[in-house]
Amino acid sequence: EDQVTQSPEALRLQEGESSSLNCSYTVSGLRGLFWYRQDPGKGPEFLFTLYSAGEEKEKERLKATLTKKESFLHITAPKPEDSATYLCAVQAAGGSYIPTFGRGTSLIVHP
Amino acid sequence: SAVISQKPSRDICQRGTSLTIQCQVDSQVTMMFWYRQQPGQSLTLIATANQGSEATYESGFVIDKFPISRPNLTFSTLTVSNMSPEDSSIYLCSATQDTEAFFGQGTRLTVV
Repeated sequence: EDQVTQSPEALRLQEGESSSLNCSYTVSGLRGLFWYRQDPGKGPEFLFTLYSAGEEKEKERLKATLTKKESFLHITAPKPEDSATYLCAVQAAGGSYIPTFGRGTSLIVHP
Repeated sequence: SAVISQKPSRDICQRGTSLTIQCQVDSQVTMMFWYRQQPGQSLTLIATANQGSEATYESGFVIDKFPISRPNLTFSTLTVSNMSPEDSSIYLCSATQDTEAFFGQGTRLTVV
């Protein structure tokens, strides 16, 4: 059974204080790993897809990296508007396209 | 990327009634899904909406309670039937394009 574990559950940062969110996964062959941002009361907003170990993708202050067992979402010099819940999901190769989601990391950035 | 329009965005309903949520995608997609998200929780898959045939439901969800239609490649509806306060949640429509999944803005349902 595919599993996704995100840590920490919650993270509080000061504006400008860089940090990383972790997503550990167990899947029988990875088709893709996804990161989403979700604001309260809204649907998840797609951020990145990573397909193979060693791959990295960047968007503004966010950088996602991937190994064979985990992914990190690095947040550099965060701003209060980066406050949100960040969700990680994996899609198994050879199966359906249904992603398995983690429980998310709730990030609060204080000014 | 696909843009998904979901409506209504929120509703307050009386127990025992039903609500139908609509999901429209702006381009053809591979698959469409319906999720439920309880406050502070991650996403729980309700069912996969299949074009022109019955939806595929996950364990714990049944067609009588959550009937789903998908008459074409870009449109789907989810009905929450005979609602109770326990059905209060955010309901999300999702669609995949290639391997990537996109979401609507969600429907916040409160049952009183």
